[in-house]
Amino acid sequence: QQQVKQSPQSLIVQKGGISIINCAYENTAFDYFPWYQQFPGKGPALLIAIRPDVSEKKEGRFTISFNKSAKQFSLHIMDSQPGDSATYFCAASIFWGSQGNLIFGKGTKLSVKP
Amino acid sequence: DAGVTQSPTHLIKTRGQHVTLRCSPISGHKSVSWYQQVLGQGPQFIFQYYEKEERGRGNFPDRFSARQFPNYSSELNVNALLLGDSALYLCASSHDQLAASTDTQYFGPGTRLTVL
Repeated sequence: QQQVKQSPQSLIVQKGGISIINCAYENTAFDYFPWYQQFPGKGPALLIAIRPDVSEKKEGRFTISFNKSAKQFSLHIMDSQPGDSATYFCAASIFWGSQGNLIFGKGTKLSVKP
Repeated sequence: DAGVTQSPTHLIKTRGQHVTLRCSPISGHKSVSWYQQVLGQGPQFIFQYYEKEERGRGNFPDRFSARQFPNYSSELNVNALLLGDSALYLCASSHDQLAASTDTQYFGPGTRLTVL
């Protein structure tokens, strides 16, 4: 119940294309779903996050789509650029929880080809 | 503003040894969390500290311990190192334990620990 399952493991997209990464969760107590971007040798950096009271959130080229009934959420990167090549992690946590720890997916390595 | 800083950057130890990793949170942040990231996997939660008290612990053995100091910096200690402890250890800080609407966990660059 604490798992967050992420797919695909790796993704190759042409420059200008759309990158789509999917995540699924089981614990219905999760109510905060961030996406992190990690470059080699760096720590994860928050990209965008959503709470389940909305079905979609957009920030620039990045969009989270959230399906509460299916317990799934996805990251869409529009107009993908070579600089977007990185590993992306979805995560989940209980927003007002006493621990505040994040449960991460296993990551998706995105390569954007010029 | 400086981000989360961690030291050392890299560390090589042998099995059975002890290691101490250090973290300085973003100024004004009172909560520090530690994560272990094994190569090719997502980070796994180890500890969270808020106002010098442990507020959460992940599924890690008692060989792992941590503490937070009055200036909100933190140390992660690992005793009796095993080969499987080789990983990137990440520290994250946030303003408030209760994850208010503006609260976000900001990660440091990590300490790469290699156990031989």
